[in-house]
Amino acid sequence: DADVTQTPRNRITKTGKRIMLECSQTKGHDRMYWYRQDPGLGLRLIYYSFDVKDINKGEISDGYSVSRQAQAKFSLSLESAIPNQTALYFCATSDSPEVSPYTDTQYFGPGTRLTVL
Amino acid sequence: GNSVTQMEGPVTLSEEAFLTINCTYTATGYPSLFWYVQYPGEGLQLLLKATKADDKGSNKGFEATYRKETTSFHLEKGSVQVSDSAVYFCALIYGQNFVFGPGTRLSVLP
Repeated sequence: DADVTQTPRNRITKTGKRIMLECSQTKGHDRMYWYRQDPGLGLRLIYYSFDVKDINKGEISDGYSVSRQAQAKFSLSLESAIPNQTALYFCATSDSPEVSPYTDTQYFGPGTRLTVL
Repeated sequence: GNSVTQMEGPVTLSEEAFLTINCTYTATGYPSLFWYVQYPGEGLQLLLKATKADDKGSNKGFEATYRKETTSFHLEKGSVQVSDSAVYFCALIYGQNFVFGPGTRLSVLP
């Protein structure tokens, strides 16, 4: 079984709809991240969380919100989807310094392809 | 600020050819440097990493050396295989800065 799972894997929605993407992990990591991938732009960080009570904005947080429901779950919401949010979205996890010196290695889920019409 | 620049692709090689994918970075301090690989339909996987100057990361025949003097972390492999066809991302992490390059698509032909 995959250590980092994302649901749904594909989603098509319409402008103005609210969308939630979910991420779950069984790696026991404290740190979780949401990225979007656009052709030619690589991955850009949307939000990250270093523990359940710690949420931080990334490079491109406008139009997005997140919820860290538990250590293992980190959800990304688009309150009112717009076409330029069409992208591939990745969740990732990493360890914390208290657990491992290798805190900088991130483990990625398989991605969610979102299309906003 | 922190940034990563990669050579533009796509890169097309014949099997057993030598591979170099260039990566340079700008950073305010001493970041950790990474190469991730993305196979079709999958998420990114760590390929190799280096955490300080002159470190060499290696895995599956790929190598990259952290060159502080040239702020580079070029990826090399001596003999590529068809199974190496993928998108390769150079990345840096420094504190709470997580920066990925745009990716370089590699196609290896039999």
